[in-house]
Amino acid sequence: DAKTTQPPSMDCAEGRAANLPCNHSTISGNEYVYWYRQIHSQGPQYIIHGLKNNETNEMASLIITEDRKSSTLILPHATLRDTAVYYCIVRDQTGANNLFFGTGTRLTVIP
Amino acid sequence: NAGVTQTPKFQVLKTGQSMTLQCAQDMNHEYMSWYRQDPGMGLRLIHYSVGAGITDQGEVPNGYNVSRSTTEDFPLRLLSAAPSQTSVYFCASRGWFNTEAFFGQGTRLTVV
Repeated sequence: DAKTTQPPSMDCAEGRAANLPCNHSTISGNEYVYWYRQIHSQGPQYIIHGLKNNETNEMASLIITEDRKSSTLILPHATLRDTAVYYCIVRDQTGANNLFFGTGTRLTVIP
Repeated sequence: NAGVTQTPKFQVLKTGQSMTLQCAQDMNHEYMSWYRQDPGMGLRLIHYSVGAGITDQGEVPNGYNVSRSTTEDFPLRLLSAAPSQTSVYFCASRGWFNTEAFFGQGTRLTVV
């Protein structure tokens, strides 16, 4: 699986959009970009995933660059409950396709 | 629908003791896995299973055994606990054609 690079920490004002970047320059054609988050010490929670088109769901939007070497997770209106560690993971969907976690980005939403 | 259930939530062991961490899911998922998370680090894959009777090693399998006799259960065994195994352990499950993995709430293990 391709490796990802994320900033270790970010702050965001409550009510503003949080934009979390991820670099995955070695991603291959059949690998998807996944985002999970971990609130405090709970189990990780799935947020969104995509292959090459932008995706949106009730939690967030995922913007993937045309060359697929980087992506941005957008939380449109961050709340205090969005304070968490956010993990960007790339993997294909064949075989066991395990999830390999890096250290993620610690997002702190500030009142 | 309980999702992924891990027991116990907390455990303290003495060095050399053995124990089993339980993981059960009620979503009929084929794929199950165990991770450990040390302070300030991401999750590391210990073992995984793609179906009943099939298990395989992940990134950090040493010191742990697993079995998968049913679709629902995937226990993780520590045969002789060591202080280096002090960690938070997470179990996860996913349907074979599903993209979303579901995680349990974790077991916090301390080995003294």
